[in-house]
Amino acid sequence: AQSVTQLGSHVSVSEGALVLLRCNYSSSVPPYLFWYVQYPNQGLQLLLKYTSAATLVKGINGFEAEFKKSETSFHLTKPSAHMSDAAEYFCAVPGAGNTPLVFGKGTRLSVIA
Amino acid sequence: DADVTQTPRNRITKTGKRIMLECSQTKGHDRMYWYRQDPGLGLRLIYYSFDVKDINKGEISDGYSVSRQAQAKFSLSLESAIPNQTALYFCATQPSGGYQETQYFGPGTRLLVL
Repeated sequence: AQSVTQLGSHVSVSEGALVLLRCNYSSSVPPYLFWYVQYPNQGLQLLLKYTSAATLVKGINGFEAEFKKSETSFHLTKPSAHMSDAAEYFCAVPGAGNTPLVFGKGTRLSVIA
Repeated sequence: DADVTQTPRNRITKTGKRIMLECSQTKGHDRMYWYRQDPGLGLRLIYYSFDVKDINKGEISDGYSVSRQAQAKFSLSLESAIPNQTALYFCATQPSGGYQETQYFGPGTRLLVL
């Protein structure tokens, strides 16, 4: 079955520092990969998605992610963290056999002033 | 106005009670989903529906039931609530183009079962 693993349930960075949130998918190459973000007291919203058109995907709010088949990874990065980036981030992949999305357990990002 | 609304936003109930969580959408999407979120477990799929006549169980459907009253409405029921159903519940919608389409989430319902 398709799955994603998010390394680190909590990541803390200083304002202005690089943000790196890790996501690895299971061995079979997925056609799509997603990052969703959940700001405090809100539902999830799409940050970016990979659709095989390009390995480097740019999303909202300065985030980007690179699909690396050799590493089975789709890590999320942002060059300079802002206080407003504090949120929970979820990686997701379609399930096996054309079934709905499977979400990772999430990574909570804290930004320290 | 929000495209995906959930009512109530917060609910406290007692063990054994039947409760219903409601979801409405104005996006015109055929696909609708119910998830629960627990700390450290991420989102888990409870039920999903591709149209009014199509209902499918998700990963954790035991103890829950759903009703798709119309394209725009998808309700989740807990027939006899138990404390381990305490969680944050999300409804989401999606266009019919496939799983590559974006899901749109409601604001969530926070449920506490005593």
